Amino acid sequence: DAGITQSPRHKVTETGTPVTLRCHQTENHRYMYWYRQDPGHGLRLIHYSYGVKDTDKGEVSDGYSVSRSKTEDFLLTLESATSSQTSVYFCAISEGGQVTYTQYFGPGTRLTVL
Amino acid sequence: QKEVEQDPGPLSVPEGAIVSLNCTYSNSAFQYFMWYRQYSRKGPELLMYTYSSGNKEDGRFTAQVDKSSKYISLFIRDSQPSDSATYLCAVSRQLTFGSGTQLTVLP
Repeated sequence: DAGITQSPRHKVTETGTPVTLRCHQTENHRYMYWYRQDPGHGLRLIHYSYGVKDTDKGEVSDGYSVSRSKTEDFLLTLESATSSQTSVYFCAISEGGQVTYTQYFGPGTRLTVL
Repeated sequence: QKEVEQDPGPLSVPEGAIVSLNCTYSNSAFQYFMWYRQYSRKGPELLMYTYSSGNKEDGRFTAQVDKSSKYISLFIRDSQPSDSATYLCAVSRQLTFGSGTQLTVLP
């Protein structure tokens, strides 16, 4: 998993509660990403980061925020979880600065919002 | 129209068969083409990538890009039960993924 860990690995929560997912990397990569994966949609980019405190939106960013205060950690927050955010969330990194097309993924977090 | 279209399958083949997995894409400006493999309940792993047109071979796997028809393919020769996974194509530098094809290779 290219030194990427995600926590928690599984979470069940209730609608309206805040949720934070953590991605941790050990290899000092500049680019980090959050995706969600749903049946029939493949992987869709939520947010990404190109450095400490540098983040940008992806295709499906509504309802999500991110923060990156250290190179190794990229946090994804659902301010008020909804059932439509039930999904599997993957963190990814890319190597080599501007080289973003080869990405390496973490093991995923399975989130269920009741 | 989605930027990347992929037949979701499922696809089931006998061991030893040649497998062909395909995607089409809409933007002729795309230059980077990737295939990822994802085992059940795991993260995707990069299998192959190509830049621009042509073929790339790695062992039993061959990736092919036809930019004139905006068509990308992954061929698996002598398929093995261990190849059973979901295969996702992806395009461009800021990856856009297909929805994945679920492949089962039967022993």
